Amino acid sequence: KQEVTQIPAALSVPEGENLVLNCSFTDSAIYNLQWFRQDPGKGLTSLLLIQSSQREQTSGRLNASLDKSSGRSTLYIAASQPGDSATYLCAVSSRFTAGNNRKLIWGLGTSLAVNP
Amino acid sequence: DGGITQSPKYLFRKEGQNVTLSCEQNLNHDAMYWYRQDPGQGLRLIYYSQIVNDFQKGDIAEGYSVSREKKESFPLTVTSAQKNPTAFYLCASSIRGVDTEAFFGQGTRLTVV
Repeated sequence: KQEVTQIPAALSVPEGENLVLNCSFTDSAIYNLQWFRQDPGKGLTSLLLIQSSQREQTSGRLNASLDKSSGRSTLYIAASQPGDSATYLCAVSSRFTAGNNRKLIWGLGTSLAVNP
Repeated sequence: DGGITQSPKYLFRKEGQNVTLSCEQNLNHDAMYWYRQDPGQGLRLIYYSQIVNDFQKGDIAEGYSVSREKKESFPLTVTSAQKNPTAFYLCASSIRGVDTEAFFGQGTRLTVV
């Protein structure tokens, strides 16, 4: 059974710091991994999607890497800003245990606070 | 602008009532999903639809019902059979399925009064 874990659950950093958020998964048979951002009381915003055949994806100050063999992904945020404060969620596309339908398996998220 | 619109933003339900949450997308996506989010728990899949006139139960479908009569619409009804409906409900869509990027609405917060 696929399980997704995000550590730490919460992180507080000063503005300008480079930081890394972690996502680990137990079954390496994934199709893709997605990173999302959620502001309090809001929906999710897609940040990056990494296909299983890819090693990393970049968007602006964000860089996500994927190591399927070790079951890990990291989201690197460069030069953090107070506007980056939010909860960051990762999700893997993984097979149902029965049948061929796939679904997203979600981590609980890392709550990030960037202090001015 | 293309996107997903959920309404209402806040909804209050009395005991024994059915309520319907609206989800509309203009992204021309085939797949749509309903998730429930509770504090301290990951997103849980309620129902999903890969194509018009077809939908499948997710992990926690009991007490919920959906329809997919139009490509752009995927309403969720929370029935009186759902014993603990107070939660944040999120609708999402993707071009084909979970192998493609998911886009989310802004959510509906349902409270039982």
